Amino acid sequence: EVQLVESGGDLVQPGRSLRLSCAASGFTFDDYALHWVRQAPGKGLEWVAGISYNSISLGYADSVKGRFTILRDNAKNSLYLQMSSLRAEDTALYYCVKDYSSSWFASGHFPHWGKGTLVTVSS
Amino acid sequence: QSLLTQPPSVSGTPGQKVTISCSGGSSNIGDNFVYWYQQYPGLAPKYLIFRNDQRPSGVSDRFSGSKSGTSASLTISGLRPEDEADYYCAVWDDSLRAVEFGGGTKLTVV
Repeated sequence: EVQLVESGGDLVQPGRSLRLSCAASGFTFDDYALHWVRQAPGKGLEWVAGISYNSISLGYADSVKGRFTILRDNAKNSLYLQMSSLRAEDTALYYCVKDYSSSWFASGHFPHWGKGTLVTVSS
Repeated sequence: QSLLTQPPSVSGTPGQKVTISCSGGSSNIGDNFVYWYQQYPGLAPKYLIFRNDQRPSGVSDRFSGSKSGTSASLTISGLRPEDEADYYCAVWDDSLRAVEFGGGTKLTVV
């Protein structure tokens, strides 16, 4: 059974940094692309970033480009999201999402989701 | 503001058929596959329809998807109380080089 378990969410002040982690199990980790998708309280879903199976190809939403970095460690079956220069509008539940294929590009095909980790940006 | 437009809410009675629309443009729906997700309050989204009209195993055949031009639809037939949830369309946008989600539609079964 595919399992994606996010951690690292916290209350942080604007301008600070935070690193989210996602521990994956139940599938061959280095065969699949992964994504982060977020959902602000009471709002809809927003794709944040995607990474290919081998980390060679990455992509970001315009809203986080230059501030967030998506990384993966295939040896540890883990996905990360390094967030810096956090803003109030980054407050959201962040989901770790497994893609159907090895590429994040031209996707939207998200069969498996974690339960999310909450990031609150506030002074 | 999403590039994909969904009605904020739809409603129906048990046994009815309802349709949720997702309207986009040539750079997204017009050129790429559409996906649909179902989300209950407090839970993660669930994969409902892939590649416009395909159902993953385990998803009821009461759910169906379609696409025409720059619009897509999710149809739920034989409506049940447990279908009450939020529904999102998702599609790749060639111009943004990003995945776009629709704003979501809240389905109420009255």
